[in-house]
Amino acid sequence: GENVEQHPSTLSVQEGDSAVIKCTYSDSASNYFPWYKQELGKGPQLIIDIRSNVGEKKDQRIAVTLNKTAKHFSLHITETQPEDSAVYFCAASSSGGYQKVTFGTGTKLQVIP
Amino acid sequence: KAGVTQTPRYLIKTRGQQVTLSCSPISGHRSVSWYQQTPGQGLQFLFEYFSETQRNKGNFPGRFSGRQFSNSRSEMNVSTLELGDSALYLCASSLERGVTDTQYFGPGTRLTVL
Repeated sequence: GENVEQHPSTLSVQEGDSAVIKCTYSDSASNYFPWYKQELGKGPQLIIDIRSNVGEKKDQRIAVTLNKTAKHFSLHITETQPEDSAVYFCAASSSGGYQKVTFGTGTKLQVIP
Repeated sequence: KAGVTQTPRYLIKTRGQQVTLSCSPISGHRSVSWYQQTPGQGLQFLFEYFSETQRNKGNFPGRFSGRQFSNSRSEMNVSTLELGDSALYLCASSLERGVTDTQYFGPGTRLTVL
């Protein structure tokens, strides 16, 4: 089955710096890659997603890049703010006959004011 | 538009009991997916329902089951509870395409099995 590895598990950055979280996946059939932010006591919230026919997508301070050949995708957050502190999850899913989704293990991001 | 709601928010059960969790999706969403989140195993996909039918299923034992009603509300049932079933159970709704679509998560139900 699909295996998604996420690194790093924890990340501390100074406010205003950039943060990068990387994920790799194993199933070449995966074609949808969302990123979620989870704050304490809340459910995950989609912050950005990318499909396999796109190499990069940007939404204000957040961007995601996808390299299908290498089977890895990354989340980039620029100009980090204290409210960006949370746990971030990547995921990979496929729309083939039987849909499945596999999540990464999460990255705890701390933005230091 | 109201978000995904889950009830109850917290639940304590003992081993061997069964439990039913409820999820109300965003109005107009027809797909409901369920997930289990634990510190050890992370976020794992349980199953997805669409139009009252289970469309996709993760790798969980048959003790975990669910159903969806005609109004898209969904319930998840766990029978013969084990200590390892203690977890945050999340449901997520999407318009139609399930796990390959934009999903909106509820706040979760925290289940503790004693």
